[in-house]
Amino acid sequence: DVHLVESGGGLVKPGGSLRLSCVASGFTFSSYSMNWVRQAPGKGLEWIAYISSSGRYIYYADSVEGRFTISRDHATNSLFLEMNSLRADDTALYYCARGRLVTLQDAWGQGTLVTVSS
Amino acid sequence: DIQMTQSPSSLSASVGDRVTITCQASQDISSSLNWYQHKPGKVPRLLIRDASKLESGVPSRFVGSGSGTTFTFTITSLQPEDIATYYCQQYDNHPRFIFGPGTKVDLK
Repeated sequence: DVHLVESGGGLVKPGGSLRLSCVASGFTFSSYSMNWVRQAPGKGLEWIAYISSSGRYIYYADSVEGRFTISRDHATNSLFLEMNSLRADDTALYYCARGRLVTLQDAWGQGTLVTVSS
Repeated sequence: DIQMTQSPSSLSASVGDRVTITCQASQDISSSLNWYQHKPGKVPRLLIRDASKLESGVPSRFVGSGSGTTFTFTITSLQPEDIATYYCQQYDNHPRFIFGPGTKVDLK
């Protein structure tokens, strides 16, 4: 079974930083692209970052470009999201999601909650 | 940027009803559209890819159609376990993705 387990969420002050992790199991991690998708309280889903299987290609939503960095480590089957200059509107449940065919996400973790508040 | 709209934003229907959700793109996206189901407290689930292709293991009562700018998602006979929020997602500019605002489906 495919498993994705996120961690690293928490309460952080505006302007602060946080690093999210997602550990993958049940599939060949290095063969799949990965994504981060978030859901703010009471809001819909928002895709925020993509990394190709090799890590060579990376894309961001405009809302996080320049502040967030996605990366991956094949030795530990881990996906990361480094978040800097956090704002109140970054408060959300952050999901890691496996990509397939470059055009969709077919497996999701349970999410980790990030709260940005003073 | 391509904008996505969904209608209605919410609906109430009875078990056995036919439920239809429309997703509109601000420009032609061919068939570059997926549909996801998101139940409260659960993770999102891919139901339909490429506008009309049913994902493996998804019940056949879920049907997607359309191309260009207008897409339709239909539940042909609503079941109690279908209560969820449904999102369209366009990938015309993949691997950047845009989700629609969602349609919340409740039982009447």
